[in-house]
Amino acid sequence: GDSVTQMEGPVTLSEEAFLTINCTYTATGYPSLFWYVQYPGEGLQLLLKATKADDKGSNKGFEATYRKETTSFHLEKGSVQVSDSAVYFCALSSTGNTPLVFGKGTRLSVIA
Amino acid sequence: NAGVTQTPKFRVLKTGQSMTLLCAQDMNHEYMYWYRQDPGMGLRLIHYSVGEGTTAKGEVPDGYNVSRLKKQNFLLGLESAAPSQTSVYFCASRFAGGEQYFGPGTRLTVT
Repeated sequence: GDSVTQMEGPVTLSEEAFLTINCTYTATGYPSLFWYVQYPGEGLQLLLKATKADDKGSNKGFEATYRKETTSFHLEKGSVQVSDSAVYFCALSSTGNTPLVFGKGTRLSVIA
Repeated sequence: NAGVTQTPKFRVLKTGQSMTLLCAQDMNHEYMYWYRQDPGMGLRLIHYSVGEGTTAKGEVPDGYNVSRLKKQNFLLGLESAAPSQTSVYFCASRFAGGEQYFGPGTRLTVT
C-alpha cells in the first residue's frame, strides 16, 4: 500500500538556519504530495502541495519539489524563524478520492 | 465560514462510558474523515465518508462507530471507552482532489 516516510525529529535549529525535512514516498501511479503544519494546540493546516512531477510547491518561504525519480518531496526553508516551530507532516493522495496518507511528523524547534 | 468545527474540545471519560464526537463543516465537502493522533504515531485514520449516508473503515476502526446522516456532519461514537482510546481526535473534510481542511481537535482522556 501507499506509505510516507519522513525524517524523525525532533529537529532543533537556531534562528536564520537552513531547514531541510526529508520525505520519501511509496505509491502507485502519480500521487499528489502535501506538506501540512501543526502549531501547538491546533489542527493541521496545509502548507504547500504539488500535483505532478517536477512541480514546486511554495508558501511562507517554504519550498518542496516533487521528484518522481527519487520518490521524494523534501521540505526546505532558507532562514527559519522562531515562529516556524511546529510539527510538519508529509502526506500523499494516490487519487482524488482516496484518504491522505500521512508520515509520522517531524517536530521542529527554532531557538533565538 | 467557520470551516471545520469539533465538539467538544475536551472530555474525560471513565472506562466503559460512551460518548459521541461531533464534526461539522460548512464548505459543502463530500469527503469527511476522523483521525486520531498519538505521540510518535502521527495521524491514523479511523473512519471516513465519501458522501452523505456512506461510511468506510480506515486504518484503526475497532472500538469506534460513525454516522453521516447529513452532508455537513460526521459523528464519531465510542460505545464503551477504553484507556487505549485516550488520544487527540481530528476531523477533516475535502472535495475530491482538493485540499484537506482540519478541525481544531478534541482531546479525550479515558481513565
